[in-house]
Amino acid sequence: KQEVTQIPAALSVPEGENLVLNCSFTDSAIYNLQWFRQDPGKGLTSLLLIQSSQREQTSGRLNASLDKSSGRSTLYIAASQPGDSATYLCAVRRWSNSGYALNFGKGTSLLVTP
Amino acid sequence: DVKVTQSSRYLVKRTGEKVFLECVQDMDHENMFWYRQDPGLGLRLIYFSYDVKMKEKGDIPEGYSVSREKKERFSLILESASTNQTSMYLCASSETEFRPQHFGDGTRLSIL
Repeated sequence: KQEVTQIPAALSVPEGENLVLNCSFTDSAIYNLQWFRQDPGKGLTSLLLIQSSQREQTSGRLNASLDKSSGRSTLYIAASQPGDSATYLCAVRRWSNSGYALNFGKGTSLLVTP
Repeated sequence: DVKVTQSSRYLVKRTGEKVFLECVQDMDHENMFWYRQDPGLGLRLIYFSYDVKMKEKGDIPEGYSVSREKKERFSLILESASTNQTSMYLCASSETEFRPQHFGDGTRLSIL
């Protein structure tokens, strides 16, 4: 059974800092990994998708990396802003009895203070 | 941009009622999913569908059923609502298993 762990569970940083969020997974037989952002009481917004054959993806101030063999992904946020405050979730896509399902981590709650 | 719309943001129902949660996507996606999200448990897959009239059980299907009569619409049904089904329900769709999943804003359901 695929287990997805996100560390830390919560993080508080001052505005302008660069930061790294971590995601690890136990089964390396994944199709892809997706990072999401969730604002309080809202749905999930897709940030980046990395296919299993890729090493990284970039979008603006965000960079996600994937090391499938070691079961790790990181989300790097450059020059953080208060508007980046949210919960960040990683999810891995694999084949199982539930089809091509996403397995989610429990998220990292990020607070960027002015 | 992909738009996934869930019919209600908040819903309050009573135990024993039959509850319908509706989800519509506007991008002709094949795949649609229903998750529930609970504090400390994260997101868990309830049901999914790869095509019209097709449905597959996820990790926690007990107490739920689904309907997909049209490609753009995926409905989650609580046959007889119970208090342990109070949760945030999230619908998602994707073009294929290799494309991103896009989520709706969620329905916060309370069963009294």
